[in-house]
Amino acid sequence: KAGVTQTPRYLIKTRGQQVTLSCSPISGHRSVSWYQQTPGQGLQFLFEYFSETQRNKGNFPGRFSGRQFSNSRSEMNVSTLELGDSALYLCASSSRQGGEQYFGPGTRLTVT
Amino acid sequence: AQKVTQAQTEISVVEKEDVTLDCVYETRDTTYYLFWYKQPPSGELVFLIRRNSFDEQNEISGRYSWNFQKSTSSFNFTITASQVVDSAVYFCALSGTVYSSNDYKLSFGAGTTVTVRA
Repeated sequence: KAGVTQTPRYLIKTRGQQVTLSCSPISGHRSVSWYQQTPGQGLQFLFEYFSETQRNKGNFPGRFSGRQFSNSRSEMNVSTLELGDSALYLCASSSRQGGEQYFGPGTRLTVT
Repeated sequence: AQKVTQAQTEISVVEKEDVTLDCVYETRDTTYYLFWYKQPPSGELVFLIRRNSFDEQNEISGRYSWNFQKSTSSFNFTITASQVVDSAVYFCALSGTVYSSNDYKLSFGAGTTVTVRA
């Protein structure tokens, strides 16, 4: 079975721009979660989608949003990028809520 | 609120030594899940184990073993006879369940960097 894939792997954006990151879960997995990893804050939960519905949301500003499609693929969007948004964004999929989450390789976002 | 504390920032050992990683958690939920993940230099988080709060049985998987003690809110991880390939950052994590206020959100500890020298 193919693992979780994330595109793009690396991204450089300018402050004020917006960005969309994509995540394709493991086949058959319906739950997709997003995390932000930075050296200062560590791994922080962004949101979780299950069957196209946002089930949980972390403590991030409204500039961070996401969605899930009927095929379970998910996208997250960050608008009005700030320098502090530079991070590794990780996507994880699970066959069910509360199950073990399998992570993708991440998207390294650099905001200049 | 949930909180996971990994007091050890870095651990360095020589190959074949045992390594124990400490994890202490805080939660108001009566049911919850505990996890350990490994993040090698490549960056991808690798799932190691998931434990239900009702199951305090210790577990061994090859050179890995886990000690879950609900009384002390700890979920420690031991690598026996460490190898260079074990070098990575290890994260302990906690989530609630559908019955808890935290639902399934994963809260991670800060991670412990393990370096195994040949």
